[in-house]
Amino acid sequence: QVQLVQSGAEVKKPGSSVKVSCKASGDTFSSAYISWVRQAPGQGLEWMGGIMPSHEKANIAQKYQGRLTITADELTTTVFMDLTSVTSEDTAVYFCASGHDRMASWGQGTLVSVSS
Amino acid sequence: EIVLTQSPDFQSVTPKEKVTITCRASQSISNYLHWYQLKPGQSPKLLIKYASQSVSGVPSRFSGSGSGTDFTLTINGLEAEDAATYYCHQSRNLHTFGQGTKLEIK
Repeated sequence: QVQLVQSGAEVKKPGSSVKVSCKASGDTFSSAYISWVRQAPGQGLEWMGGIMPSHEKANIAQKYQGRLTITADELTTTVFMDLTSVTSEDTAVYFCASGHDRMASWGQGTLVSVSS
Repeated sequence: EIVLTQSPDFQSVTPKEKVTITCRASQSISNYLHWYQLKPGQSPKLLIKYASQSVSGVPSRFSGSGSGTDFTLTINGLEAEDAATYYCHQSRNLHTFGQGTKLEIK
């Protein structure tokens, strides 16, 4: 089973970009599927997109197309989430999770706060 | 996009009670339906995979059923530690989550 460790909390200005990392260990990284899921304050879980590191193309939820990029570095076994043009509505805890179907392993979460 | 609708949104229950949460999909998803428990300040925890399959380390009071469009999570003999929000999740076509069901223990 894969273990996931995320980067630390971020504070961003509206209109800027935020990049969060998720380092995987303990399983075959290239064949894993890593998703990004977020939870805004008082809201539910929302799938944003995911990637299999051995594939170059990520799946991105329609809501985030054009604003979200997900990449993977096989050398460092790290997946990155890059969200551009952030607004206060992007304030949330961002999780990475592993699993092609069920998400069995989760990172600890990264709080992203967007404020002027 | 496949939409998952859970009911109820909120339930207040007493310990030892039996709890049933339902999840309805906007189209058939076979058994690609999974259940999670989320507590404040924690990461989601997988409870049930593929609609009815148990997950190692999860108490046996949690069970799931259903296929196609209608699914159920059952907690038999609720315990105080089960206070949390529960989410269903489909992986048949990309991924989506239900809106969540918050369980309060009286």
